[in-house]
Amino acid sequence: KNEVEQSPQNLTAQEGEFITINCSYSVGISALHWLQQHPGGGIVSLFMLSSGKKKHGRLIATINIQEKHSSLHITASHPRDSAVYICAGRKAAGNKLTFGGGTRVLVKP
Amino acid sequence: EAGVTQFPSHSVIEKGQTVTLRCDPISGHDNLYWYRRVMGKEIKFLLHFVKESKQDESGMPNNRFLAERTGGTYSTLKVQPAELEDSGVYFCASSQDRGLVTDTQYFGPGTRLTVL
Repeated sequence: KNEVEQSPQNLTAQEGEFITINCSYSVGISALHWLQQHPGGGIVSLFMLSSGKKKHGRLIATINIQEKHSSLHITASHPRDSAVYICAGRKAAGNKLTFGGGTRVLVKP
Repeated sequence: EAGVTQFPSHSVIEKGQTVTLRCDPISGHDNLYWYRRVMGKEIKFLLHFVKESKQDESGMPNNRFLAERTGGTYSTLKVQPAELEDSGVYFCASSQDRGLVTDTQYFGPGTRLTVL
């Protein structure tokens, strides 16, 4: 079992819909990194969080340490949000990231 | 400020040849990481430099891979000799060293390596 598990693998939404991507992680991971990769593009860091909630524009990331679960929400989704979203966990000791498999999001106009 | 840059963006080589990938981190970032995504799989950690020292190289697949970061600035990742299974996208990332678990890693655009 991977230390970081993401769901769903694929997600299709209509423009304007609320989108949620989930990430579960194993013991030892103390912070979660949410990343975005557009088709043919590089990886962009969205959030790095170890507790609570962070918001940037229409993106919201939450983390529940007790349940070892994080979610990325996209409000009022837009076709330009179509991308692969990746969560990656960082352990308390060391800097390396352990990645989930990614969620491919397609937002249709 | 320039982000993390990688060169080349694409490389196509034949099995048995040598390829060297380069990563230039964000200026002032002591931490430099190499990651790899093989087709259909999740991104995997290769190694981590702090300045010029290898902090963690637990993800390096075998001794055909050699990473260096002379002078603590840019880094190179050499694959010699390349095998078919080395094909994938190689990402470099860098971060400051504030000692915080939430230090953000900034990723380069990746180098797509194809071994024929």
